[in-house]
Amino acid sequence: GDSVTQMEGPVTLSEEAFLTINCTYTATGYPSLFWYVQYPGEGLQLLLKATKADDKGSNKGFEATYRKETTSFHLEKGSVQVSDSAVYFCAHHGAGGSYIPTFGRGTSLIVHP
Amino acid sequence: DTGVSQNPRHKITKRGQNVTFRCDPISEHNRLYWYRQTLGQGPEFLTYFQNEAQLEKSRLLSDRFSAERPKGSFSTLEIQRTEQGDSAMYLCASSPGQAGNNYEQYFGPGTRLTVT
Repeated sequence: GDSVTQMEGPVTLSEEAFLTINCTYTATGYPSLFWYVQYPGEGLQLLLKATKADDKGSNKGFEATYRKETTSFHLEKGSVQVSDSAVYFCAHHGAGGSYIPTFGRGTSLIVHP
Repeated sequence: DTGVSQNPRHKITKRGQNVTFRCDPISEHNRLYWYRQTLGQGPEFLTYFQNEAQLEKSRLLSDRFSAERPKGSFSTLEIQRTEQGDSAMYLCASSPGQAGNNYEQYFGPGTRLTVT
């Protein structure tokens, strides 16, 4: 069945370090891919998305590229800040025309000053 | 636009009681989703509506759970005869649902349910 696999956290980094959070998926067809972020005490917010192969989504310094050949959508940021500390969820949606999304378990990011 | 709102934000109930949660989506969003989220997990799909029609329900959804969206605007999620295993965060999200691949979702803050 459809699934999303994320690297386990927590990921602990110092401020200004480079961030990668891995995400791979299985799906029928070619879904749209998303990263959502959940800050402490808040709901999930869309961070970025990509709707077709080789698209790059970007927002707030974060980037992810839709890699169909490796079924991956890894999240990267060149220089993290303390304010980036949150839980990040990878998701796919629209596989095979379905409107039911599939989320990963989330990866907690902790950034120290 | 004030975003997706959910009420109440917290609910504590005793086992066996019924509870009802409300979600007000972003106006003009015609898709509305309910999810359950437990600690350390991603959102787990429960059900979704296209306007007032409930189009999909998770097969994991117990028959104690029911959801409505009577006029295609706000939605309610009711849990009957609550069990301790129902304790979780219940999330609502809405989506524009326009033609094309517009699947992005806008989440509310959630309702945290604690069953004692």
